[in-house]
Amino acid sequence: DAGITQSPRHKVTETGTPVTLRCHQTENHRYMYWYRQDPGHGLRLIHYSYGVKDTDKGEVSDGYSVSRSKTEDFLLTLESATSSQTSVYFCAISRGNEKLFFGSGTQLSVL
Amino acid sequence: DQQVKQNSPSLSVQEGRISILNCDYTNSMFDYFLWYKKYPAEGPTFLISISSIKDKNEDGRFTVFLNKSAKHLSLHIVPSQPGDSAVYFCAATGGSQGNLIFGKGTKLSVKP
Repeated sequence: DAGITQSPRHKVTETGTPVTLRCHQTENHRYMYWYRQDPGHGLRLIHYSYGVKDTDKGEVSDGYSVSRSKTEDFLLTLESATSSQTSVYFCAISRGNEKLFFGSGTQLSVL
Repeated sequence: DQQVKQNSPSLSVQEGRISILNCDYTNSMFDYFLWYKKYPAEGPTFLISISSIKDKNEDGRFTVFLNKSAKHLSLHIVPSQPGDSAVYFCAATGGSQGNLIFGKGTKLSVKP
């Protein structure tokens, strides 16, 4: 157990609605990440954070925003969900080296 | 353009035999390589890694080989077990902290 909790585990929403996914860590690590996994694409980095209020974009950041107001929480927001954002979303932490440890994921369906 | 490529979407192996999963990369700045294993409805879990200063790293039944001149790495699982059936992702990094670049994955099926 990497001490990462993602919520919700599953969500179904409608196109155009805002959605926020939460990642909570219990280990006080500086670096946190959001990835999405899609068939045929593997895992792709959306955004990452290197400290409270410090975030940066990843490979597929369009349509997503993030916030980190506390060390333990990293939020991913879809301002206006689209069907192309149907995916499995994984949060990850770094314990200070190259290895990432992942949460169990959030299955998001946008209808 | 894909920087990390896993060209085999799937692999089927008999229990007890060797499984060889391959990965190619294009970015010569990559200096650390990792393999992750993923079961359905779970997050990826770290399996084994290798630094670019080495050409082999072994951990129990799992061995990763790195050929820098060919920009190629492979994961060997010997002997393969049914519980090894999962999707395996190759990942690479170099420079930015923890910004792993993943391949598309290879689904391994180990048949009893």
